[in-house]
Amino acid sequence: QQQVKQSPQSLIVQKGGISIINCAYENTAFDYFPWYQQFPGKGPALLIAIRPDVSEKKEGRFTISFNKSAKQFSLHIMDSQPGDSATYFCAARIENNFNKFYFGSGTKLNVKP
Amino acid sequence: EAGVTQFPSHSVIEKGQTVTLRCDPISGHDNLYWYRRVMGKEIKFLLHFVKESKQDESGMPNNRFLAERTGGTYSTLKVQPAELEDSGVYFCASSQEKSPQFFGPGTRLTVL
Repeated sequence: QQQVKQSPQSLIVQKGGISIINCAYENTAFDYFPWYQQFPGKGPALLIAIRPDVSEKKEGRFTISFNKSAKQFSLHIMDSQPGDSATYFCAARIENNFNKFYFGSGTKLNVKP
Repeated sequence: EAGVTQFPSHSVIEKGQTVTLRCDPISGHDNLYWYRRVMGKEIKFLLHFVKESKQDESGMPNNRFLAERTGGTYSTLKVQPAELEDSGVYFCASSQEKSPQFFGPGTRLTVL
């Protein structure tokens, strides 16, 4: 059973637009929610992360919005650029197991020039 | 500083054969993880080493998979005998204690 559900599977956005990727979870024991960015031929790399005690975290053009009651979180990429084209994975971790992550199925983002 | 490296980058084998994947973590990282992504699906945790000890192997699919980390340095993941459903991308990651995991580029395994 997939612990973290991610949508959409693929996304095409025009340069300068906003990219939005959504994730949902059921396990209320999750306490850390990272997003990973993967370029072709590379491994996933940590992009930004949030804990459930805040509703939003922003780093540059990347923002995580977190809705604890709905058990949903999303990644927003403002002013999307062609260099943002990559596969994005959301993930979650249980508070008493620091090392084990549950990943979403990935979203392939294509930002058109 | 060199990142996590994995070898080979691609492997194509026939059903029933054996394949061994290798991971070299970042120097000084005691934690080493193996993950797998079957095409289009989520990245799934396989197991976690702390130095040479298996800390958590709850994600290993079955006894055809054997992971080792001799001397607490590099790790190998052996699949014997390989089945069609073993195809996918195998990622290795490493970390220091309670620090972010750094992923390698993965090994794409195709079982025909």
